[in-house]
Amino acid sequence: QQPVQSPQAVILREGEDAVINCSSSKALYSVHWYRQKHGEAPVFLMILLKGGEQKGHDKISASFNEKKQQSSLYLTASQLSYSGTYFCGTGLGGSQGNLIFGKGTKLSVKP
Amino acid sequence: KAGVTQTPRYLIKTRGQQVTLSCSPISGHRSVSWYQQTPGQGLQFLFEYFSETQRNKGNFPGRFSGRQFSNSRSEMNVSTLELGDSALYLCASSGGQPNTEAFFGQGTRLTVV
Repeated sequence: QQPVQSPQAVILREGEDAVINCSSSKALYSVHWYRQKHGEAPVFLMILLKGGEQKGHDKISASFNEKKQQSSLYLTASQLSYSGTYFCGTGLGGSQGNLIFGKGTKLSVKP
Repeated sequence: KAGVTQTPRYLIKTRGQQVTLSCSPISGHRSVSWYQQTPGQGLQFLFEYFSETQRNKGNFPGRFSGRQFSNSRSEMNVSTLELGDSALYLCASSGGQPNTEAFFGQGTRLTVV
């Protein structure tokens, strides 16, 4: 079951904040966040694990609510370089290949 | 350290033909996963190979197949191409341990005409 991301798209001015949400109808073991800039490969941002462990980017924060089966990515004081499409991938346990990605959230940061 | 290399970068094929795409993972990585990316659908998981064995499989028809060689390089094959197979095909490599970072290649843009 593909996780649902919201919003589908968001436009910000530099310095503004944004929150991207990811929710699943299934119990989650982990949530993975990636960013893809236009014409480029997706790049790893963060992994959030059941139990509260996080691994990833120092300048990006996220939360993982296991009971609600939701994760949120917090982008604060946005910069032009934050523009891109953000994907959450949900893990049901097991290997990396078990990741099911959402349809993405397109973030555009304007000067 | 070289990144993930996918070849070719672009491909145009005719309906009914078959195609083979290649992915060379980061040195030392034993897991290769394949994804299909189309506008509005995000990244859809095709399959994952680990140490030459298919470890996981997504919900794609049997026309989509893959394999992995002893050097961890992987190939993906699509037979009897359909117009709807036009997409960006991405591969990602990782060490294969649960919940570790995956590194994506630039992808192969396949157009079926």
